[in-house]
Amino acid sequence: GIQVEQSPPDLILQEGANSTLRCNFSDSVNNLQWFHQNPWGQLINLFYIPSGTKQNGRLSATTVATERYSLLYISSSQTTDSGVYFCAVHSGGGADGLTFGKGTHLIIQP
Amino acid sequence: DAGITQSPRHKVTETGTPVTLRCHQTENHRYMYWYRQDPGHGLRLIHYSYGVKDTDKGEVSDGYSVSRSKTEDFLLTLESATSSQTSVYFCAITEFPGQNTGELFFGEGSRLTVL
Repeated sequence: GIQVEQSPPDLILQEGANSTLRCNFSDSVNNLQWFHQNPWGQLINLFYIPSGTKQNGRLSATTVATERYSLLYISSSQTTDSGVYFCAVHSGGGADGLTFGKGTHLIIQP
Repeated sequence: DAGITQSPRHKVTETGTPVTLRCHQTENHRYMYWYRQDPGHGLRLIHYSYGVKDTDKGEVSDGYSVSRSKTEDFLLTLESATSSQTSVYFCAITEFPGQNTGELFFGEGSRLTVL
C-alpha cells in the first residue's frame, strides 16, 4: 500500500514563530487531507488538498502531486496551535479509507 | 460540524468480554470507517463500509467485526477483548472516497481500556 512519511516528528517553537510541516507519499494520490488533533483528542479538518495551494487564516498548504509531497505552513504560531498534525492520503479508486502518516507533534511555548 | 456520534465515549472492560462500539451519523453519507489510534502508529484502518450490509477489512482487522444494518449506524464489535485492543477508536464518514469531494470527517473518539 501507499506509504506516508511526515517530518519532523516533533517540533517545539516559541509563540509567534513560523513553521513548515512536510508530508511525503509513495504513490499518486486522488485525496490528501491535513488534520489537527488538539490536546483533547479531537481530529479537526484543516485542508482537503490533493493538489495546488490553499490558505485559511494563518495556515496554508501546498501539494505538489507530481513530486509526491505536501507542505503545511503555520505562521505566527499561537499556543492553541499545539497538538499533532496528520497528513492522510488516498490512492486508487477503491472505497478504502485514508492512509495516515504518524504525525508531527507540535508544541508552541508561550 | 459533521453529525457523527460515537458511543460509548469511554469504556473499561476485562479481557475476554465482548464490546460493541457504535457510530451514528446524521449526514446520510454512504461510506463509514473505523480507525484505531495508538502511540507511534498514527491512525490505522480497521474496517470500512461502502453501503448497508457492505463492509470490508482494513489494515488491522484481526479480532474485530463490523455490521451496518442502516445507513446511519456502523457498529464495531470485539468478540473477546484483549489488552492489545486497548486504544482510542475513531469513526469517520465521507461522501465520495478518492474523489474531489471525498473529505473525511471524524467523530470524537471512543477510549477503550481492556484490563
